[in-house]
Amino acid sequence: AQSVAQPEDQVNVAEGNPLTVKCTYSVSGNPYLFWYVQYPNRGLQFLLKYITGDNLVKGSYGFEAEFNKSQTSFHLKKPSALVSDSALYFCAVRAFTNAGKSTFGDGTTLTVKP
Amino acid sequence: NAGVTQTPKFQVLKTGQSMTLQCAQDMNHNSMYWYRQDPGMGLRLIYYSASEGTTDKGEVPNGYNVSRLNKREFSLRLESAAPSQTSVYFCASSETWLAGDTQYFGPGTRLTVL
Repeated sequence: AQSVAQPEDQVNVAEGNPLTVKCTYSVSGNPYLFWYVQYPNRGLQFLLKYITGDNLVKGSYGFEAEFNKSQTSFHLKKPSALVSDSALYFCAVRAFTNAGKSTFGDGTTLTVKP
Repeated sequence: NAGVTQTPKFQVLKTGQSMTLQCAQDMNHNSMYWYRQDPGMGLRLIYYSASEGTTDKGEVPNGYNVSRLNKREFSLRLESAAPSQTSVYFCASSETWLAGDTQYFGPGTRLTVL
């Protein structure tokens, strides 16, 4: 079985400060890892993904994520937060054998204060 | 290029009523998915269609049926709605069923069952 944990329901940061949204996963075999963002009353938007290769993945809107196999983590980061980054963030995992079946975390609400 | 579209945006049903949620994508994707999102929880897979002509159950299929009408359209039917089916429903599509493919989401349908 595959699973995702987002240990923080809420993350608060000041505008201009770095932000980190945490994600850990459990999966059989090599993981395929995704981050999505959801703004109020909207669908999920893709931010970035890790398939293979470089452990640091760069995505949309200045976000990046670091894959750490030994810690089974895929934390989302941004060097300088914007108020407009405030949203709900989801981490998702898939296994090669499960193909398109994604397991999503419960989500982390990011609030960036001016 | 509209991406993934869903109708209706909002719906209120009484217990026992039936309805069909419609989803269409214009990206020529082979795979399509239906998820539900409940407060404080991540998305859970209801049904998926890996390719035109195939459908299969996801994590929470009870009380739902689906039809892959053609390559573009994938509908979700509630035969006898129950209050437990109050949720936000998202349709998604991806180019293929491969684990590394990105899923693209529609704007969602907010369903309330009284």
